[in-house]
Amino acid sequence: GAGVSQSPRYKVAKRGQDVALRCDPISGHVSLFWYQQALGQGPEFLTYFQNEAQLDKSGLPSDRFFAERPEGSVSTLKIQRTQQEDSAVYLCASSPRQGPTGELFFGEGSRLTVL
Amino acid sequence: QQPVQSPQAVILREGEDAVINCSSSKALYSVHWYRQKHGEAPVFLMILLKGGEQKGHEKISASFNEKKQQSSLYLTASQLSYSGTYFCGTEESSNTGKLIFGQGTTLQVKP
Repeated sequence: GAGVSQSPRYKVAKRGQDVALRCDPISGHVSLFWYQQALGQGPEFLTYFQNEAQLDKSGLPSDRFFAERPEGSVSTLKIQRTQQEDSAVYLCASSPRQGPTGELFFGEGSRLTVL
Repeated sequence: QQPVQSPQAVILREGEDAVINCSSSKALYSVHWYRQKHGEAPVFLMILLKGGEQKGHEKISASFNEKKQQSSLYLTASQLSYSGTYFCGTEESSNTGKLIFGQGTTLQVKP
């Protein structure tokens, strides 16, 4: 399929563990976004990449959260020393345009549960 | 900064109409609408740009009142497939990458 692929789909971590969530955007898409979606809530913006440049990381909740997109394609969201409040679905989206003004193509998300 | 959606939930019968509203306290550059079914990815429906340009879905329409920073999504002759949670997303400027979503409106269409 040519859609946005995220892995793992489900991750259970013990509090204090580090996790890494991967996003494979649609090939050629310039923009990549990470969102955090708590149960019953709307997606909350975390960070935005244009190619390999991280242009906005204002939504990252703490310095335990780190995202990268070193070659301008695949992106990884890393959470260090996970806490229970980190439990959520992490959505990745990509767009062929610069910025979000256009259709965002979302992946199905990675559901993180921190015990 | 998060836009406010109303109502929080709607239950309809097939063929009925619904309106979902989205309101922001900030001046907006664009409003986006997405639908998310349970356990699935959000899917793009519509974008409304400052100045009146619209791009989106054939059977769903929307309006954008720039002066009031409000948008409404109109679902006419609803189908079972319209069920899901609808999110509006707002963009304050064309220069940022930040699309801020509302808390969602859950729509259930019954036969």
